[in-house]
Amino acid sequence: NAGVTQTPKFQVLKTGQSMTLQCAQDMNHNSMYWYRQDPGMGLRLIYYSASEGTTDKGEVPNGYNVSRLNKREFSLRLESAAPSQTSVYFCASIMDGRAETQYFGPGTRLLVL
Amino acid sequence: QKEVEQDPGPLSVPEGAIVSLNCTYSNSAFQYFMWYRQYSRKGPELLMYTYSSGNKEDGRFTAQVDKSSKYISLFIRDSQPSDSATYLCAMSVVGNQFYFGTGTSLTVIP
Repeated sequence: NAGVTQTPKFQVLKTGQSMTLQCAQDMNHNSMYWYRQDPGMGLRLIYYSASEGTTDKGEVPNGYNVSRLNKREFSLRLESAAPSQTSVYFCASIMDGRAETQYFGPGTRLLVL
Repeated sequence: QKEVEQDPGPLSVPEGAIVSLNCTYSNSAFQYFMWYRQYSRKGPELLMYTYSSGNKEDGRFTAQVDKSSKYISLFIRDSQPSDSATYLCAMSVVGNQFYFGTGTSLTVIP
């Protein structure tokens, strides 16, 4: 039981390049989330998915797209990376209606030059 | 005004001290209150969870929620060097979207 896994762990991009951050969970959770964490800003929600096939914008969605590929996997795509997207990205999942079951992945550190 | 406000610290205490961490919030509809612990270069992990008002105790940790004052606290008794981490408060209305504080960095000195 791996919980929430994320790949890659670290990535360096040049401005304008694209990449996809991968997330998978093996806890049979319905809801999945993408957050970014910046110094002094805390965790901010980018997108979330309440179930397979549905996605909704969070607080900071601009410049990102997501895909809920199936119940296990939720990917985050940067189409044209900008230095402002330098951050640590965390994926999380939760069992419906059980706020105490939110589990986070280990994070992806992204540097955009 | 941010939904959740948290003093970023940093906070430095000697081993064995009692630590008090606090958050205030503006949305009176919040019902779910969580504290997460985040070690350096790791993902947050749930430490304490409270639904609605009241206190909850788990070993050396006590979480308090005062909805009338829109204020939550986490107390750590007999603090240990292993408690050195960043502590994040989080809140939710219906348990599906979460609003986080900025985190308080704690160092417990042996």
